[in-house]
Amino acid sequence: GAVVSQHPSWVICKSGTSVKIECRSLDFQATTMFWYRQFPKQSLMLMATSNEGSKATYEQGVEKDKFLINHASLTLSTLTVTSAHPEDSSFYICSASTRQRQETQYFGPGTRLLVL
Amino acid sequence: GQQVMQIPQYQHVQEGEDFTTYCNSSTTLSNIQWYKQRPGGHPVFLIQLVKSGEVKKQKRLTFQFGEAKKNSSLHITATQTTDVGTYFCAGRNSGTYKYIFGTGTRLKVLA
Repeated sequence: GAVVSQHPSWVICKSGTSVKIECRSLDFQATTMFWYRQFPKQSLMLMATSNEGSKATYEQGVEKDKFLINHASLTLSTLTVTSAHPEDSSFYICSASTRQRQETQYFGPGTRLLVL
Repeated sequence: GQQVMQIPQYQHVQEGEDFTTYCNSSTTLSNIQWYKQRPGGHPVFLIQLVKSGEVKKQKRLTFQFGEAKKNSSLHITATQTTDVGTYFCAGRNSGTYKYIFGTGTRLKVLA
């Protein structure tokens, strides 16, 4: 149980385009989802926390107009990288937690984004 | 803001040697988790520590939470090539459900 999927697993796009990444909890209701970014050989940096049905809370330094997060249902959250640039190339990972066990995160497999 | 540092940043060991990574938080933590990330993979949950001074074991892995709940360690006995990866600690402050990941320790095991 507690499986989280991400789609796509990797994406290559041209500079200036927008990319949408989906994060789904397959067998549980995710009341909270977290979005992380990881640059090569670095740690995971929390970008934002999203609760179902409400606006995401962004970490300091993360542009909310650049990284649009939508958590419209208890099983789906999306991250849209708008007008992507090469410096946005990274590994984006989501995690999800349930209301009953909010201290436990279940991680998705991640999405590798390469912006040319 | 809160910082979680890990040392060492890198560690190369011969297979069979022991390995330890240390995690230090700038703030007192409610609990701490440990993850392992293989090259090209995503973080995989290993364990959670909650109580001050807690020690937990998983086969060759021993996890410890400091008395002040500001530091933690992961010790691997007799490393194997399958232990290769980056080990992250992630700490949570009380009043929030978000975790701050440590800087990570990359382990290479030489056969």
